[in-house]
Amino acid sequence: GQQLNQSPQSMFIQEGEDVSMNCTSSSIFNTWLWYKQDPGEGPVLLIALYKAGELTSNGRLTAQFGITRKDSFLNISASIPSDVGIYFCAGRGGATNKLIFGTGTLLAVQP
Amino acid sequence: DGGITQSPKYLFRKEGQNVTLSCEQNLNHDAMYWYRQDPGQGLRLIYYSQIVNDFQKGDIAEGYSVSREKKESFPLTVTSAQKNPTAFYLCASTLGKTYNSPLHFGNGTRLTVT
Repeated sequence: GQQLNQSPQSMFIQEGEDVSMNCTSSSIFNTWLWYKQDPGEGPVLLIALYKAGELTSNGRLTAQFGITRKDSFLNISASIPSDVGIYFCAGRGGATNKLIFGTGTLLAVQP
Repeated sequence: DGGITQSPKYLFRKEGQNVTLSCEQNLNHDAMYWYRQDPGQGLRLIYYSQIVNDFQKGDIAEGYSVSREKKESFPLTVTSAQKNPTAFYLCASTLGKTYNSPLHFGNGTRLTVT
């Protein structure tokens, strides 16, 4: 079946550092979504990508849809304490065209 | 403000009891979804509904049931047949009838069964 690998599993950084996380798929996707989840809350959409090579920013966040259509990355620049949370990628494509979620990247930011 | 409301936030039940989780949206979205979240795992789809009075099984539907009598409501019943019901349950919706538009999530219900 389709697999979506997200890495790293967790990151512990100092305030002000840049962060990078990525997701790779075993099959070609036509959509990549990035969500952030605060503890005890539902995920909130950060960035949606619909086209290979697309690079989209949302404030200090930048995400790209990989050229191969099998990967995507999310960068956070100049991290701040409120960036703490779990970041999920989600992709849609392959034979089923179902939306599949990554296992999440836990981000901890030390002031 | 428009959004998705899940209630209750926390729910405790004894093993063997059915329990129903509420999900209401006032976004006028067509499709609604239920996901289950367990620590260290991605979200897994339980059931979804693209239109009133119609719904389809997701990847882990066994032990769950749903109804869609109104566009804005999509309650999930966790039955006693669900072997590991303790989890964080998330309801979501999309404007279109398919996954083409991004999911919008509620704030979840944490169910604990003892």
